[in-house]
Amino acid sequence: SQQGEEDPQALSIQEGENATMNCSYKTSINNLQWYRQNSGRGLVHLILIRSNEREKHSGRLRVTLDTSKKSSSLLITASRAADTASYFCATDLYNNAGNMLTFGGGTRLMVKP
Amino acid sequence: ETGVTQTPRHLVMGMTNKKSLKCEQHLGHNAMYWYKQSAKKPLELMFVYSLEERVENNSVPSRFSPECPNSSHLFLHLHTLQPEDSALYLCASSQFAPTGYGSYGYTFGSGTRLTVV
Repeated sequence: SQQGEEDPQALSIQEGENATMNCSYKTSINNLQWYRQNSGRGLVHLILIRSNEREKHSGRLRVTLDTSKKSSSLLITASRAADTASYFCATDLYNNAGNMLTFGGGTRLMVKP
Repeated sequence: ETGVTQTPRHLVMGMTNKKSLKCEQHLGHNAMYWYKQSAKKPLELMFVYSLEERVENNSVPSRFSPECPNSSHLFLHLHTLQPEDSALYLCASSQFAPTGYGSYGYTFGSGTRLTVV
């Protein structure tokens, strides 16, 4: 299976609620990144957390990283209809060949007005 | 506009055609990537160019041929494709990070939606 796997695959919530998405991975990483994708468009970088960091905030986003459990979570607080999108975690498996990101299958988030 | 521009946005081609996808970045990045996104599958890394040298191709079929003439431009040449190659092709760029530091975030283009008929 792939390096990063998101859970749940789909999530539906009401506007104003919090949304939590989880990501698990298998091997050691340099960093973990979260991206957002609106339907049929490119991905947008949201936040990067390094392996020596445990928590990071950016606006309504909060990311945690637990390297002992090889897992990360993305929390979106006070969700809005505009947050409806797919969210992907990506792990940096740095090797001598280059900076390559491996993406998970994504969580499809729907926020109902 | 993210700073990474992909053209065309949509492409329909027959299995015997030859076409090219173009990607251009104006961010001063020195690494560029091609990803394939198919329905219900994770993004698949196809090619990486770092400092204009290809460093990874992940056993992509030879009907896909990348070209990186300089650090700002990346092409994906297509020939004799199969219907299963229909997908969203995404280009991304980043600043190449030194050994052991870990990559910086990628900037993606909007993608080319390819349909092979």
